[in-house]
Amino acid sequence: AQSVTQLDSQVPVFEEAPVELRCNYSSSVSVYLFWYVQYPNQGLQLLLKYLSGSTLVKGINGFEAEFNKSQTSFHLRKPSVHISDTAEYFCAVSHASGGSYIPTFGRGTSLIVHP
Amino acid sequence: SAVISQKPSRDICQRGTSLTIQCQVDSQVTMMFWYRQQPGQSLTLIATANQGSEATYESGFVIDKFPISRPNLTFSTLTVSNMSPEDSSIYLCSAVEGTSYFDTQYFGPGTRLTVL
Repeated sequence: AQSVTQLDSQVPVFEEAPVELRCNYSSSVSVYLFWYVQYPNQGLQLLLKYLSGSTLVKGINGFEAEFNKSQTSFHLRKPSVHISDTAEYFCAVSHASGGSYIPTFGRGTSLIVHP
Repeated sequence: SAVISQKPSRDICQRGTSLTIQCQVDSQVTMMFWYRQQPGQSLTLIATANQGSEATYESGFVIDKFPISRPNLTFSTLTVSNMSPEDSSIYLCSAVEGTSYFDTQYFGPGTRLTVL
């Protein structure tokens, strides 16, 4: 079975500072990886996803993530955050072959951007 | 991209009653899902809503407690039956336009349920 660990439940950061939200996964097979963002009172929105190919994935709103197979990680980064980036961020993993294709979600990381 | 709406957006219900949540997608989608999101917890998949047949439930969820309907390619309902305070949660509808789970998954804004 696959699992996802988001190591930080909350990440406070000042505006225009860089940020990294950490995500580690466990799976015995190849995986697809996703990052979603949830703004207050809204549904989840896909930020980016890794299916295959380049390990550096660029998403919307200036976010990017790097797939590291040896460390089983898929950390999300942004070089300079804005107040509007304050939201809940969810990492998810699904099997690329065999097992369940249904994504498993992490517990979420609350990004709080201070002025 | 698909836009998903849910009704109601929130409700406060009494123990022992039932609530039906509606999910409407603005385009035809192949797959629809229902999730539960509890504070500080990850999203938990309740079931896959199948058009014209019984929903496929995940471990720990049963049809008697969470009956689901999906009469067409754009609409689904989830009923939370015989509610208890433990059912207080956010219920999310989700849809995929393609045929694979790695196709973009869209989510509704959620229904915030409080059971007294």
